[in-house]
Amino acid sequence: DVKVTQSSRYLVKRTGEKVFLECVQDMDHENMFWYRQDPGLGLRLIYFSYDVKMKEKGDIPEGYSVSREKKERFSLILESASTNQTSMYLCASSLRQKAFFGQGTRLTVV
Amino acid sequence: GESVGLHLPTLSVQEGDNSIINCAYSNSASDYFIWYKQESGKGPQFIIDIRSNMDKRQGQRVTVLLNKTVKHLSLQIAATQPGDSAVYFCAENIGDYKLSFGAGTTVTVRA
Repeated sequence: DVKVTQSSRYLVKRTGEKVFLECVQDMDHENMFWYRQDPGLGLRLIYFSYDVKMKEKGDIPEGYSVSREKKERFSLILESASTNQTSMYLCASSLRQKAFFGQGTRLTVV
Repeated sequence: GESVGLHLPTLSVQEGDNSIINCAYSNSASDYFIWYKQESGKGPQFIIDIRSNMDKRQGQRVTVLLNKTVKHLSLQIAATQPGDSAVYFCAENIGDYKLSFGAGTTVTVRA
């Protein structure tokens, strides 16, 4: 089975902090994604990557950046955390269209 | 813009009954659709997928129906069990292996 692992289940950070969310997949998938999930809004795409060192903006990239130095690892960076970035963050990987998700990181910015 | 949406945000079902979860999509060029199940505190889990060249696909206790004429997708769960209580999302491929998700339907199974 595909395994997508996010480094933290819960995080609490202060406003203005730089935050790193890490994601690792073990299936040699080319594509990796970061979504945020908020009540009533479903999953919204922040950034995605088709290959190492490649990244593309999704629907809501403002306030975020990403890094993909190795194929199996895709990091989401909040340059200066704000309270409106309090959310559930979901990482996914896919070979083609079928995406597999990690367990999510619930981030609270105080 | 074009998006995927679900008809109802909540669905309450008696244990043992069949469940039908509906989804409308607006992108007529979408060629791939997928259903996910998300239990509380967990990430979305793949249930079943279907390509646009098919009308129906069956899995274990689940069936996905695709009506391209009216751009409608549904997930049917047979003999609903308490473990089926979750949020269900439909998603469509919008190109370049990206998926667009609806807001989700919360299914509650009554004992």
